[in-house]
Amino acid sequence: KAGVTQTPRYLIKTRGQQVTLSCSPISGHRSVSWYQQTPGQGLQFLFEYFSETQRNKGNFPGRFSGRQFSNSRSEMNVSTLELGDSALYLCASSANIPGQAINEKLFFGSGTQLSVL
Amino acid sequence: AQSVTQLDSQVPVFEEAPVELRCNYSSSVSVYLFWYVQYPNQGLQLLLKYLSGSTLVKGINGFEAEFNKSQTSFHLRKPSVHISDTAEYFCAVSTTRQGGSEKLVFGKGTKLTVNP
Repeated sequence: KAGVTQTPRYLIKTRGQQVTLSCSPISGHRSVSWYQQTPGQGLQFLFEYFSETQRNKGNFPGRFSGRQFSNSRSEMNVSTLELGDSALYLCASSANIPGQAINEKLFFGSGTQLSVL
Repeated sequence: AQSVTQLDSQVPVFEEAPVELRCNYSSSVSVYLFWYVQYPNQGLQLLLKYLSGSTLVKGINGFEAEFNKSQTSFHLRKPSVHISDTAEYFCAVSTTRQGGSEKLVFGKGTKLTVNP
């Protein structure tokens, strides 16, 4: 079974640009979460999607947005990039179904390393 | 809101020595606790989890952790480390489901370096 796939692996952008990152979850997983990882702040939760609906959102500005498609693939978008957005963006999928079980195990992708110059 | 504190940002040890990575959490409700490991240039992998039952939890690669509710701790231990255990370790907490969704809150990580 293929793991969580994130593309691209590396990305370099300049301030003010926008970027879209992609995540394909493990087959059969309908829950997808996004995290931002930086040396200073560690791992911070961005948002969680299930069946094309955003179920939970972290404390990030509105420049950060996401969506999920009917095949459970997810994208996140960051508009008007700032230097501080440079980070490793991790996507995780799980078999979690809201209302039925806790988030027992997340399967993480290798991430997209975004550098904003 | 819950939070996680990993008391040591870096832990250097020699090969075959024991190691303990400390984790404390705060939460006003019941919690579920996890340890994840991140090897260089990779995503996170689950090492072990505490959901309920026995407070001593055994995970992969010889790691174990003990849930201590009175001390709000979930320290990770291994009796004898290998060079290949060099990685960053993250403690995380999740609360019981309320309203249909929850998220993992991670500590800032502990970099374990195993030296020969």
